[in-house]
Amino acid sequence: GAVVSQHPSRVICKSGTSVKIECRSLDFQATTMFWYRQFPKQSLMLMATSNEGSKATYEQGVEKDKFLINHASLTLSTLTVTSAHPEDSSFYICSALGTGGQKSYNEQFFGPGTRLTVL
Amino acid sequence: GDSVTQMEGPVTLSEEAFLTINCTYTATGYPSLFWYVQYPGEGLQLLLKATKADDKGSNKGFEATYRKETTSFHLEKGSVQVSDSAVYFCALSNTGKLIFGQGTTLQVKP
Repeated sequence: GAVVSQHPSRVICKSGTSVKIECRSLDFQATTMFWYRQFPKQSLMLMATSNEGSKATYEQGVEKDKFLINHASLTLSTLTVTSAHPEDSSFYICSALGTGGQKSYNEQFFGPGTRLTVL
Repeated sequence: GDSVTQMEGPVTLSEEAFLTINCTYTATGYPSLFWYVQYPGEGLQLLLKATKADDKGSNKGFEATYRKETTSFHLEKGSVQVSDSAVYFCALSNTGKLIFGQGTTLQVKP
């Protein structure tokens, strides 16, 4: 149990286009999902926290108009990188905080990540 | 604010060597502490965790003890294998939001 999927796993796009990344909790409900960005050989940087049915909370320095987050259901959150540029190339990782069953409040389950390359 | 500091890597060991990766934290209250592992090309996987002082988390031969007096959560393994080569992240959580250390790369040579 506690599986989180991301789609796509890799995406290459042209500069100026928008890219949508999906994060799904497959076997549990996730009232809260997190989006991280990881640069090569560096740690994860939290970008935003999304709660089902409400607006995402962005970390300082993260452009909310650039990185649109939607958490429309208890099993799906999406991150849209708008008007992507080469500097947006990175590894984007989502995680989900489960509710119910054995999912404790203090444990996040991570997706496998999405590698975005903007040409 | 809360923070996590890990020893810098890379750490290079021979197979069957003893491993220690140091992790210290700064936090208010009583956070939960975690070690995550990231194998090449994959996402993060929870390796072990501890939710209160003196708890010992363990998994796959790895151990870490929550030391509140020294604000530490050092990762240890008695005998590493080549397959343990990965990046290891120490993290804490106070409110459900995870704060990660910078990661330590472990390279195990045959």
